[in-house]
Amino acid sequence: AQKITQTQPGMFVQEKEAVTLDCTYDTSDQSYGLFWYKQPSSGEMIFLIYQGSYDEQNATEGRYSLNFQKARKSANLVISASQLGDSAMYFCAMRAGSARQLTFGSGTQLTVLP
Amino acid sequence: GAVVSQHPSRVICKSGTSVKIECRSLDFQATTMFWYRQFPKQSLMLMATSNEGSKATYEQGVEKDKFLINHASLTLSTLTVTSAHPEDSSFYICSARAPGSTNQPQHFGDGTRLSIL
Repeated sequence: AQKITQTQPGMFVQEKEAVTLDCTYDTSDQSYGLFWYKQPSSGEMIFLIYQGSYDEQNATEGRYSLNFQKARKSANLVISASQLGDSAMYFCAMRAGSARQLTFGSGTQLTVLP
Repeated sequence: GAVVSQHPSRVICKSGTSVKIECRSLDFQATTMFWYRQFPKQSLMLMATSNEGSKATYEQGVEKDKFLINHASLTLSTLTVTSAHPEDSSFYICSARAPGSTNQPQHFGDGTRLSIL
């Protein structure tokens, strides 16, 4: 079975500062993918970044980067230069092995302070 | 632009009404679509996997007769909440994954807020 753990129910960050959102995962599959999604209060799910289990480099997409530590089974999301519009719920998710569906973590509510 | 379209975005109706929610993949054919339910401040809970041309696969605890899923074409899946009651009020959201490599993310519709009075 796959499991995603996000231990931070809520996080606060000052505008323009960087913030790290934690995500740990558990799977027995060697091949898996890790995804981060942002969900604003309006509800839509916005794909941010992907990291494959065999990727040697940490993924980056603009202000988003993924700190992938395979041995620790962690895939933390780093948001640099936070903006007020970054305030949202953030979900870490995994698809492992032959599974078609994603397994989601419980989410972290990020609030960016002016 | 959006690759998955979900309609309607909001429904308010009386108890006992059946409500149909549509999920369309716009730029690709989706043999599989996923339906989630989300309560406030909680994570997405997978309800069922919709399979084109065959029966949906429901997660444990989800009533098949309550939540009817039809995936009649490669671009459309529908979720019908039959005889809806106030406890069915929730945020429902669908997703689909474009074919290709496993690093393709699931693309989500904008969700449907269902309120049963």
